[in-house]
Amino acid sequence: DAGVIQSPRHEVTEMGQEVTLRCKPISGHNSLFWYRQTMMRGLELLIYFNNNVPIDDSGMPEDRFSAKMPNASFSTLKIQPSEPRDSAVYFCASSFGGAGAQPQHFGDGTRLSIL
Amino acid sequence: QKEVEQNSGPLSVPEGAIASLNCTYSDRGSQSFFWYRQYSGKSPELIMFIYSNGDKEDGRFTAQLNKASQYVSLLIRDSQPSDSATYLCAVMSSGGGADGLTFGKGTHLIIQP
Repeated sequence: DAGVIQSPRHEVTEMGQEVTLRCKPISGHNSLFWYRQTMMRGLELLIYFNNNVPIDDSGMPEDRFSAKMPNASFSTLKIQPSEPRDSAVYFCASSFGGAGAQPQHFGDGTRLSIL
Repeated sequence: QKEVEQNSGPLSVPEGAIASLNCTYSDRGSQSFFWYRQYSGKSPELIMFIYSNGDKEDGRFTAQLNKASQYVSLLIRDSQPSDSATYLCAVMSSGGGADGLTFGKGTHLIIQP
């Protein structure tokens, strides 16, 4: 079975540019999560969706970050304009958010470097 | 503010011994607890989850949960060099499965051959 698929795997861009990260969750999963990982702060939840609806975006650092989930098989995380402090690994995860907590499965991540 | 605390390590354990990893959490409403293993440069990989007080065993891994003490641990028996990784403790507050996880910063485990 295909796991969570993220693209691109690596992104290097200059400060001020727009960055778009993409995620395809596991088929049948109805919850999708975006996380950011840095050495200093560890793994942080940015936003999550349930049935394509954003449930909690309190982890989104500021208005430069936005996320969408137009359908059950695709989500994007956009940073505009990007800044060097946004450099991190961004993970997407998905789960079946039914009755009873279900484990989340992570994609391979996007390693983002803002110069 | 939900917090999950782990000793960052490194925790060094000789091959064949038991590795014990600990985690405390601040939110008493937490209901689900997960252990992820993350190799350097890779994504977190789920290895154990536990919902009820007590022990849960899966092969060489045992998760232990004590909700009264807000404490969860992971034991790895017969440690192997391939167990060397960072272990992340994660906590979910609700039982609905639709909530995000709060992660600890992880414990770096080194198994010495």
